[in-house]
Amino acid sequence: SQELEQSPQSLIVQEGKNLTINCTSSKTLYGLYWYKQKYGEGLIFLMMLQKGGEEKSHEKITAKLDEKKQQSSLHITASQPSHAGIYLCGAGYNNNDMRFGAGTRLTVKP
Amino acid sequence: DSGVTQTPKHLITATGQRVTLRCSPRSGDLSVYWYQQSLDQGLQFLIQYYNGEERAKGNILERFSAQQFPDLHSELNLSSLELGDSALYFCASRFGDRGGYGYTFGSGTRLTVV
Repeated sequence: SQELEQSPQSLIVQEGKNLTINCTSSKTLYGLYWYKQKYGEGLIFLMMLQKGGEEKSHEKITAKLDEKKQQSSLHITASQPSHAGIYLCGAGYNNNDMRFGAGTRLTVKP
Repeated sequence: DSGVTQTPKHLITATGQRVTLRCSPRSGDLSVYWYQQSLDQGLQFLIQYYNGEERAKGNILERFSAQQFPDLHSELNLSSLELGDSALYFCASRFGDRGGYGYTFGSGTRLTVV
């Protein structure tokens, strides 16, 4: 999607390290979603952020939404091999259909 | 199991052929979305249906069509298939057609055109 830019495109970290993935929108956001995908498999819903300044956590994954900057960050604390996969941010433009960023491929080395 | 069922899981077919992909949304969800995921294009939105009506169109080719039936299941029809149509096709569902409702994805149909 050209509306959503994710960075970095790929990330290799040592197990136990923290990491951050960013998602920036070129248009006004009506909600920001984070999904995780194992290669070739379906998308697993992680979190949905709707309000500026909102922050949500699920286990060791925290996501924040900066509405003014039209961006969101996903932070993983003390990464584990189970965190490996592709992280996708999605945004509900037109308050309707969701568009996705190109994804960030995360590798966690034991 | 996400509650969204897609069949078949894998499909291999020849160029020029036509296939139908099926999606059963999560119980209670009225909206169905179709996405195509290929290595070079990422996850691309194709089309959305809400309670049987088409609501939004994305990058869907004219060779592709979809519909949502009264029981809310949806089918994506792909015709005159080309090698470039090889991809993972995902279906997602949600309760509403707008606003803060989360999307639930199926496990996808992997289409290989040979």
